[in-house]
Amino acid sequence: GAVVSQHPSWVICKSGTSVKIECRSLDFQATTMFWYRQFPKQSLMLMATSNEGSKATYEQGVEKDKFLINHASLTLSTLTVTSAHPEDSSFYICSASGQATYEQYFGPGTRLTVT
Amino acid sequence: GNSVTQMEGPVTLSEEAFLTINCTYTATGYPSLFWYVQYPGEGLQLLLKATKADDKGSNKGFEATYRKETTSFHLEKGSVQVSDSAVYFCALWFSGGYNKLIFGAGTRLAVHP
Repeated sequence: GAVVSQHPSWVICKSGTSVKIECRSLDFQATTMFWYRQFPKQSLMLMATSNEGSKATYEQGVEKDKFLINHASLTLSTLTVTSAHPEDSSFYICSASGQATYEQYFGPGTRLTVT
Repeated sequence: GNSVTQMEGPVTLSEEAFLTINCTYTATGYPSLFWYVQYPGEGLQLLLKATKADDKGSNKGFEATYRKETTSFHLEKGSVQVSDSAVYFCALWFSGGYNKLIFGAGTRLAVHP
């Protein structure tokens, strides 16, 4: 099946710094990539949807200036958490899809801890 | 609004026991329904899906039937194995512009020998 990787798998950063998370589709071209956030024992919440070469579409309540998403190629999307604060600590998951956007392939997730 | 409700876990079973994980949804219109599974340390994987009422999705011994009258998509397996231990997510999808998956909270399953 299609494989999606994320890097890093976990990161700890100090409050006020920025962190970049990469999401790569390893064996297919991802027309669309999705970024989710998951709180402990809670569901995945969609943060934004990005199409290659276009600006990301953010869900209501997600600060686009805080969570910068770039989808520069068909195999790579990045999420940058800018000026991170402890409340940004969470598990961030990306997924990628081809033409059929309901068939999403998920990365293993990145755990961010902001101290 | 559109939402998915799953039974709370964890669900703890002995090997070869029968499994049911309940999932109900609230939606305007007729969504497609999915079960995803997340094994420890891995990303979510699509387990099965159903795109219209009365469809039955099945995979790896798991089954779920799309019941429009009860707005449910319960996951079942006749005989679980230790290797089925994972977190299971029910999700719905609308096509035609909405284009996003809405997930339930997930149900952790632990199967003991």
